[in-house]
Amino acid sequence: DVKVTQSSRYLVKRTGEKVFLECVQDMDHENMFWYRQDPGLGLRLIYFSYDVKMKEKGDIPEGYSVSREKKERFSLILESASTNQTSMYLCASSPNSKFFETEAFFGQGTRLTVV
Amino acid sequence: GQQVMQIPQYQHVQEGEDFTTYCNSSTTLSNIQWYKQRPGGHPVFLIQLVKSGEVKKQKRLTFQFGEAKKNSSLHITATQTTDVGTYFCAGGSRNTDKLIFGTGTRLQVFP
Repeated sequence: DVKVTQSSRYLVKRTGEKVFLECVQDMDHENMFWYRQDPGLGLRLIYFSYDVKMKEKGDIPEGYSVSREKKERFSLILESASTNQTSMYLCASSPNSKFFETEAFFGQGTRLTVV
Repeated sequence: GQQVMQIPQYQHVQEGEDFTTYCNSSTTLSNIQWYKQRPGGHPVFLIQLVKSGEVKKQKRLTFQFGEAKKNSSLHITATQTTDVGTYFCAGGSRNTDKLIFGTGTRLQVFP
């Protein structure tokens, strides 16, 4: 079974803090993704990576950065957390270069609250 | 840019009733995927459709991809309480190399 593990289920951070969300997958997948999920807006892509040290902006990258130093690990960084970044963050991975036509496997999600 | 909308946003049904959610894209798609997210859980892949007019079934679930490859539907026959959750479609485009998730339909089933 593919496993995508996110480091925290719940996080509470203060405005202005630098926040790290970690994600690890154990199936040697090329592609990894970070989404945020908000009610009524569905899942929106923040960043994705198709290889180690490679990253591509998604639809809402502002205020975020990412790091992929190892194939199995993809980190999302909030440089200076703000209250409008309070959300559910979902990490996902998929095995194919054509990721838009390949099943994505999701982690359990991190509910981040910025106060 | 490419947008994928789903209707309805919410649906409450009595157990045993049927349920349908519709997915509409602003652009022609290469493929459509469907995911289910149980309350408190994460999205789990259900199925992918790639051909124009394609229909696939999984037990009580029927998935359709429109002839123009711009819309899709998921129909559940005789809902059960285990069907509760949010259903997302995701449209893939070979032209843009993107997979865009829909806004989701939250299904509540009353026993």
